[in-house]
Formats: sequence, C-alpha cells, structure tokens
Amino acid sequence: DTAVSQTPKYLVTQMGNDKSIKCEQNLGHDTMYWYKQDSKKFLKIMFSYNNKELIINETVPNRFSPKSPDKAHLNLHINSLELGDSAVYFCASRGTDRGLGYTFGSGTRLTVV
Amino acid sequence: LAKTTQPISMDSYEGQEVNITCSHNNIATNDYITWYQQFPSQGPRFIIQGYKTKVTNEVASLFIPADRKSSTLSLPRVSLSDTAVYYCLVGGPFNQAGTALIFGKGTTLSVSS
Repeated sequence: DTAVSQTPKYLVTQMGNDKSIKCEQNLGHDTMYWYKQDSKKFLKIMFSYNNKELIINETVPNRFSPKSPDKAHLNLHINSLELGDSAVYFCASRGTDRGLGYTFGSGTRLTVV
Repeated sequence: LAKTTQPISMDSYEGQEVNITCSHNNIATNDYITWYQQFPSQGPRFIIQGYKTKVTNEVASLFIPADRKSSTLSLPRVSLSDTAVYYCLVGGPFNQAGTALIFGKGTTLSVSS
C-alpha cells in the first residue's frame, strides 16, 4: 500500500485551463502539505493543513486553492494555469512522532504549454 | 529557522564511505538536525534526525559535535543506488502544528562504479 499517493503522476495542459491534483494518505497523519519543486530543484512549501484546517499558506497566487475534505485527503486546485506553474508538486504528510519525519508522495509533474 | 550550508555536489565510488557535512552556525537551542534523501522523480525521504552526539540507524549515521554548529551525515559503503540529493534541515521539532520543512539546495551525491 502506498502511504502517500498523488494523482495524476503526469499532467500536461494548456495555459488558462483549470486543473486539480489529488493526494491521499493512509498513515493516519493529521497534517498534510503541498510542496512545489521548480526546474532548479528548489522545494518550496505552499500549504499545510492540520486536521482539515489550513495552518500554513505561503506566498502563493490565489489561483492555487487547497481543499481538505477530511484529514486523509488534501487536493490542490489551480485556476487559469500559467507557464510558470510548470513544476513537480509533492504532497506530504506528518504524524505527531518527531522522529519519523515527513512522508512524501512521488509527485505530480505539471507541464503547462 | 537556522540557515544551512552544504556542498553543492560530491562524487564517490561504490564501496566507499561518504561524509556530507552541513554547517548551521545559528542553530537554536531547541533545533533538531534532520536529513532527507531525494532520488530523481521521487519525493524526499526521511533518513535520520538528531539533536546531539551521534545517531545511527540502518541507513546512515549522523555525527553532531558538542557546539552543534555543524553535522555530518555518514553513508557507509555507498552503492550506485545511493546517487541522490541529500538535504540537511535544521529547525524546531517538526511535529509541531504550524511548522514545515524548509529545504535548501541540498548536496547532489553521484556514485560511480
């Protein structure tokens, strides 16, 4: 069983479209995150939810809207996609045990053309 | 969060021990040192975490001197599959709500046969 699963793995779309990326974790964790890794490989935190509540919202365009229907799911919806949104988006989750760290999904490679 | 400095890249051969040093001169009293590993096309994976002295697990060892201003990740007898980017992160207990891992540039380790 995949601990943190993201769908789709690859997403190619045209500028101006709206798309969603889904994330699910089966670890029973309370906290989930979205990270963006750009072409230069920098990993940047975007959002964090704790038990369905938004607790971290970094400087991200409001075209990006996270949604957490329950603590096992954190989806990312992107409106009016732009070329600069092309990146790999990683979902992650974290439990309360400090020593176990974060568990990341395998990423969604978004390409906007 | 304390800033970290680590080499951009390192090269090694199979079977060698690899030591990656991370500098964190401004580490705070309650900060922990955590290392993550990222393979191409995958999300980061937690390797090891420590506060002081030495921590060892089945993957690596983490050496932290008394002043805690640096740390060294030691990978024994690397293989080709250890080729990855290694990130050093320093910060408070990352299991607290409202916190998130902040990644730097990491060290790209290339292992050759």
